[in-house]
Amino acid sequence: NAGVMQNPRHLVRRRGQEARLRCSPMKGHSHVYWYRQLPEEGLKFMVYLQKENIIDESGMPKERFSAEFPKEGPSILRIQQVVRGDSAAYFCASSSGRNTEAFFGQGTRLTVV
Amino acid sequence: AQRVTQPEKLLSVFKGAPVELKCNYSYSGSPELFWYVQYSRQRLQLLLRHISRESIKGFTADLNKGETSFHLKKPFAQEEDSAMYYCALYGSGGSNYKLTFGKGTLLTVNP
Repeated sequence: NAGVMQNPRHLVRRRGQEARLRCSPMKGHSHVYWYRQLPEEGLKFMVYLQKENIIDESGMPKERFSAEFPKEGPSILRIQQVVRGDSAAYFCASSSGRNTEAFFGQGTRLTVV
Repeated sequence: AQRVTQPEKLLSVFKGAPVELKCNYSYSGSPELFWYVQYSRQRLQLLLRHISRESIKGFTADLNKGETSFHLKKPFAQEEDSAMYYCALYGSGGSNYKLTFGKGTLLTVNP
């Protein structure tokens, strides 16, 4: 079991471009969480998904951000028209369900120039 | 709504000193609580969970429902304990469950 895989590890985008961050959960896990970590700040919850469903997106900015977790393939966090303030580390975690350990990926560091 | 509060952003102690990282939570149901640790340049990993009541790397945490707290303690800090520590709560939102983290405490253990 390779663990939670995130790619790319580092992503540089110019202002106005789109950023796509991918997360492959651990085998057998159907719950995925996305978090954002800004410099000198903690983990901020963005969105919680189960296969094909968004369960809680209360932490997602209303515009430009979207997430999906299709039946097949990785979960995708998509940021359209990136701005400098989007620069952060984005972490994905997966779990097999209720009250079980969540395993984290190594994160994607997005830099907007 | 569920909320996790870690009041200390930074905590600095000397090697061998006791350390306590505070965590308070707000949740109407029966929570599951965890401590995660992130060492420099590594991914977050689970340190301990309250239901297992075990001690990991010398750390313990007791759930106090009366005070809604889950403080992390270690009697003698080591330099290798320097890391970012996150308290997390697993609670229900209807029939679905969400993992909520506090903002984290950066622990520095000085020689």
